[in-house]
Amino acid sequence: TQLLEQSPQFLSIQEGENLTVYCNSSSVFSSLQWYRQEPGEGPVLLVTVVTGGEVKKLKRLTFQFGDARKDSSLHITAAQPGDTGLYLCAGRLLWMKTSYDKVIFGPGTSLSVIP
Amino acid sequence: NAGVTQTPKFQVLKTGQSMTLQCAQDMNHEYMSWYRQDPGMGLRLIHYSVGAGITDQGEVPNGYNVSRSTTEDFPLRLLSAAPSQTSVYFCASSPNRDNEQFFGPGTRLTVL
Repeated sequence: TQLLEQSPQFLSIQEGENLTVYCNSSSVFSSLQWYRQEPGEGPVLLVTVVTGGEVKKLKRLTFQFGDARKDSSLHITAAQPGDTGLYLCAGRLLWMKTSYDKVIFGPGTSLSVIP
Repeated sequence: NAGVTQTPKFQVLKTGQSMTLQCAQDMNHEYMSWYRQDPGMGLRLIHYSVGAGITDQGEVPNGYNVSRSTTEDFPLRLLSAAPSQTSVYFCASSPNRDNEQFFGPGTRLTVL
């Protein structure tokens, strides 16, 4: 089964705290994307990682792609209320690199940052 | 640019009714897709299109039809609605297979 898991499912923290959310699979991905979705809206792309071990930073957000390209993490430093939302990871399966349709989404981590 | 637009925003149907969810993009993207989002299950691909006149099935195509007569429009048709089709539906477009997907605001559908 080409399953992408995310943990934790829900996270509620105080403003200023740090947090890490995880995206894991038994499948190998040619690339992995992180999206943020706010209530009533569609997901918006945050970052794409393509190389095993790659680390990308977007202001207070740090994204890492696992060495084996099966997992990824998102670390937020000094969380702010504006970070509240559903964080989705989406992986493009390596063996179906030429097929547009083989992008699978995880179920998401719902983050709430309390002022 | 309006990006990806979807109508309606909300819809309630009775079992057995049919309807069309509209999706349009003004970015001249070749690739368009339809997803449904259910709690705890993430986004699941229903159908996709790699260009005008070309469509293919995704992970959960049963009960849905699509067509792509123009680059801009990609409607999703429910032929005979069922309660299992209660969900939030998102349309997305992308310049090509490796680029970022741009999502519409979604349609929340309830089937009674």
